[in-house]
This record gives sequence, C-alpha cells and structure tokens, in this order.
Amino acid sequence: GAVVSQHPSWVICKSGTSVKIECRSLDFQATTMFWYRQFPKQSLMLMATSNEGSKATYEQGVEKDKFLINHASLTLSTLTVTSAHPEDSSFYICSAREWRGIEKLFFGSGTQLSVL
Amino acid sequence: AQTVTQSQPEMSVQEAETVTLSCTYDTSESDYYLFWYKQPPSRQMILVIRQEAYKQQNATENRFSVNFQKAAKSFSLKISDSQLGDAAMYFCAYRVDTGTASKLTFGTGTRLQVTL
Repeated sequence: GAVVSQHPSWVICKSGTSVKIECRSLDFQATTMFWYRQFPKQSLMLMATSNEGSKATYEQGVEKDKFLINHASLTLSTLTVTSAHPEDSSFYICSAREWRGIEKLFFGSGTQLSVL
Repeated sequence: AQTVTQSQPEMSVQEAETVTLSCTYDTSESDYYLFWYKQPPSRQMILVIRQEAYKQQNATENRFSVNFQKAAKSFSLKISDSQLGDAAMYFCAYRVDTGTASKLTFGTGTRLQVTL
C-alpha cells in the first residue's frame, strides 16, 4: 500500500523557537495533504488542507501565521509551527490524498511536539 | 455542519468474542463516505473499513463488518473473534463526496480493550 512518511517523530523545543514537520508521500503523488492536531485522549481535528502549488486552506480558529504550511511539490508538504509556545504542544498528523479513480487517504505516523 | 458522534468512550471485550462499536452522524448530504479507523498505541492511523453511502450492502473486511443504517444515520462496527491486537482507539469518520478532495470529520473515539 501507499506510504506516507512524517518526520520527525518527536521533537522538543524551547518556547519561542520554530519547528518544521515534513510529510512525504513516498510512492504516489499527492496534490492534496491534510494536517491534523490531536490532543491527548481526544480526536483528530483538521487544521488545514494543503494544496500543491497554492495556498493552504485553514480551518476556522487556526492561525495561519502561527502554522505555516508549504506544499511546494507533489510529494512534500511541510508544517512550520512558528514561535512555539507550551500550548502548541500536541500530536500532529498529516495525511495525503491518492487519487486513482477512487480517493484514498494515507496517514503519516505523526509528530509529538513538546514545547518547554 | 456534519457531526460524528461516538457515544461509547470505552469498551471491553474478551478475546475471541464479538464487540460492536456505535457511531451516528448528522448530514444533509446524500452522497458521502463513512470510515472506521484504528489508532493503536503507536498512534498510526489505520483504515479498518469504508462504506459508500449509495451502497445498501454492508461492507466487510475479514473479521470487521459494519451495520450501515442510512435512514437512521447510524454506522456501527462489529469486530468478530476479537484478538489482543485489536486493542486500540477506534474512530468513526465521515467524508462528503464532492468529487474533489474533501476533509474527514472524526468522531471522539472509542477505546477498545481486549481481555484474556
């Protein structure tokens, strides 16, 4: 099956620094990728939809200047958490859309971000 | 707005027994997809089963089957012959079929424990 690689798996950073998370589709082209956030023992909440070659679409309440998304190629989307604060600590998951007559979504393994 | 409700925060089943996880959803759309995802302790999201709303036949995948009641907007997951490896968080999810990339809406999840 299709594979989505998400890196890093976990990251610890100091408050005020920026962190970049990468999401790669390894064996298919993904024109659309999605970024989710998951708090402990809670569901996945969609943050934004990343479209290759265009600006991301953010969900209501998500700060676009805080969570910068870049989808510069058909296999890579990045999420940068800028000026991270402890409240940004969370589990971030990406998914990539594969379209071959039927739409399938494949998830990355997630990134645990801890901001000190 | 579409909502997905999972009324069982936790469920427990003995190994080899059968368990049913409940899910209801609210939508005004007629064409949509429903999914069950499994999230084990590794936190990797794994697709368990999908159901197209236009299909009356309930989807099955080996030990996993669904009871899709479109009029009642109900989509339960039955796990037969439960195994220790089935222990995980299970999320019900909904996606409207617009012909373009559409976002998933997740329920709050049900934690399944499998006991010996």
